Amino acid sequence: DQQVKQNSPSLSVQEGRISILNCDYTNSMFDYFLWYKKYPAEGPTFLISISSIKDKNEDGRFTVFLNKSAKHLSLHIVPSQPGDSAVYFCAASAKGAQKLVFGQGTRLTINP
Amino acid sequence: DTEVTQTPKHLVMGMTNKKSLKCEQHMGHRAMYWYKQKAKKPPELMFVYSYEKLSINESVPSRFSPECPNSSLLNLHLHALQPEDSALYLCASSRRQRVGWDETQYFGPGTRLLVL
Repeated sequence: DQQVKQNSPSLSVQEGRISILNCDYTNSMFDYFLWYKKYPAEGPTFLISISSIKDKNEDGRFTVFLNKSAKHLSLHIVPSQPGDSAVYFCAASAKGAQKLVFGQGTRLTINP
Repeated sequence: DTEVTQTPKHLVMGMTNKKSLKCEQHMGHRAMYWYKQKAKKPPELMFVYSYEKLSINESVPSRFSPECPNSSLLNLHLHALQPEDSALYLCASSRRQRVGWDETQYFGPGTRLLVL
């Protein structure tokens, strides 16, 4: 049973435009969410996180939105840059839990 | 500094070999993790060490043997592996084991393992 789902395996966006990556979850106990970015042959790099007490968190070009009623979160990248081309993983954790649950990842390609 | 280092970067081993993967962090983190990642899949948790003690073993076969000699080092000893064990092995660390604010897991670059 996949508790964290990223339904788009890939996404292609033009440089300078907005990239929107989506993530859905099924476990209502999840209360902390993270996005990681991964380049080939490298480990995942932490990007941004959000707690369930918030519905938005911003860090520079990256904004994460959380819709608890829909059990949905999204990552917005504005403006998109070629260096943003990578695989993005959404991850979630339940309160007091000791491990993360990852989604399958979305490969983002930024076209010049 | 949020660096987690892993050695070696690449490893090729036969099914009868014994080898070890090494992970190091100097951020003062007291939780360290081993993950396995197959192509086009998310990382899968294998082991968690908290304050140098094994706290989670995700039913990993005994041919994988973790060791945490001190708070900065984490090893994964490999013995009699199978070809299906070929994957990217990732190490991560966090300030403490509990997930939440200030407990972000930071990953190393991984060791790409090929078992022949």
